[in-house]
Amino acid sequence: QPVLTQPPSASASLGASVTLTCTLSSGYSNYKVDWYQQRPGKGPRFVMRVGTGGIVGSKGDGIPDRFSVLGSGLNRYLTIKNIQEEDESDYHCGADHGSGSNFVYWVFGGGTKLTVL
Amino acid sequence: QLQLQESGPGLVKPSETLSLTCTVSGGSISSSSYYWGWIRQPPGKGLEWIGSIYYSGSTYYNPSLKSRVTISVDTSKNQFSLKLSSVTAADTAVYYCARRKVVPTTNWFDPWGQGTLVTVSS
Repeated sequence: QPVLTQPPSASASLGASVTLTCTLSSGYSNYKVDWYQQRPGKGPRFVMRVGTGGIVGSKGDGIPDRFSVLGSGLNRYLTIKNIQEEDESDYHCGADHGSGSNFVYWVFGGGTKLTVL
Repeated sequence: QLQLQESGPGLVKPSETLSLTCTVSGGSISSSSYYWGWIRQPPGKGLEWIGSIYYSGSTYYNPSLKSRVTISVDTSKNQFSLKLSSVTAADTAVYYCARRKVVPTTNWFDPWGQGTLVTVSS
């Protein structure tokens, strides 16, 4: 199954932009990845799915236009523009392995803690 | 709006069985469009998928936990449950329940419950 790698931390100033990266292990460049936002003390919230062609499907409920995604090679990116205090969260990426077959296995990255300065 | 709420003991002794229930409100667990899943997050670590169940009772489990996990569904109560046997301190985590669509193109987890912390300790 694929391994998803995320840097443990990132930071950005209020009003600036930041790009978070989720890297798939070799051989899985065609995989799509889901981004989740987890505010302190809360359950994760779906942000959007990304493949090499960009967003797949629709954004999660209430996700602002400031959030966008791109995919290239083994990397899947989540960009947040005009960062607000409310964006300070842990961001997780996840992917399913085996979808459409009789066996489905879900994997997640280690998460990136985004600090708003 | 669909909501999920986890419930169960917050403290479990080593070697015993962890039991949690997820209650679904605002929608039917018997919908043919969704799977229902459990995901956990050990303190300071990332998310780990435990398993998923369909309303009919068919299940998928994480191979690393499969020997110890049982997920079941009670459609009459609109609930699904998790049992994890022979727990150790490594099973200490916040446990989340979540819904995902059956269709592969949109099968992300959404929504999630708020989570419940389970500590394994004597």
